[in-house]
Amino acid sequence: EPEVTQTPSHQVTQMGQEVILRCVPISNHLYFYWYRQILGQKVEFLVSFYNNEISEKSEIFDDQFSVERPDGSNFTLKIRSTKLEDSAMYFCASSRQGLRVQETQYFGPGTRLLVL
Amino acid sequence: SQQGEEDPQALSIQEGENATMNCSYKTSINNLQWYRQNSGRGLVHLILIRSNEREKHSGRLRVTLDTSKKSSSLLITASRAADTASYFCATVASGGSYIPTFGRGTSLIVHP
Repeated sequence: EPEVTQTPSHQVTQMGQEVILRCVPISNHLYFYWYRQILGQKVEFLVSFYNNEISEKSEIFDDQFSVERPDGSNFTLKIRSTKLEDSAMYFCASSRQGLRVQETQYFGPGTRLLVL
Repeated sequence: SQQGEEDPQALSIQEGENATMNCSYKTSINNLQWYRQNSGRGLVHLILIRSNEREKHSGRLRVTLDTSKKSSSLLITASRAADTASYFCATVASGGSYIPTFGRGTSLIVHP
């Protein structure tokens, strides 16, 4: 069964460093998302992406964050200058159609980011 | 806030018993979704129930929705040790963004 994959599974970085989290969505999916979950807290939406542009973003997704689909398979989340509070599990998700048609999202296993 | 809130926060049962988790929310919804998350892993979509539906089944899972009470429940029948996980409800508000908003989850432990 096709699945969303994410790399790396764990990432440790120093405060102020840039990190890039990578995701490979399911191949025939057209809508992509990033969420994060700070330890012990709720899963929070960051951004949705369709047709090579951001379709929606939350307050969390400030100028430090960016997303890109550099090729036909990868979908990346970049944090330019990491802060301690960016430490979280970051989940990528994809869906075949947009969520307006009540489509199911498929989540990847996540990347655990630790900022020291 | 639109966010769903699960109840109880933690639930511990024996294998074979039924597990019931509840979710309450505050404003009108388009749909409500239940997810499972095994420890340290990603979210797995279980069931989506639309606002005009009252009950849905999937295998050993039964979800109900009461829009008048703004609540939903997830029932897992004949639980197994492998059902041990956190279960989240996520609400999609009506008339707005279709991005789901997650609750804090119920941690379910099923003892063999």
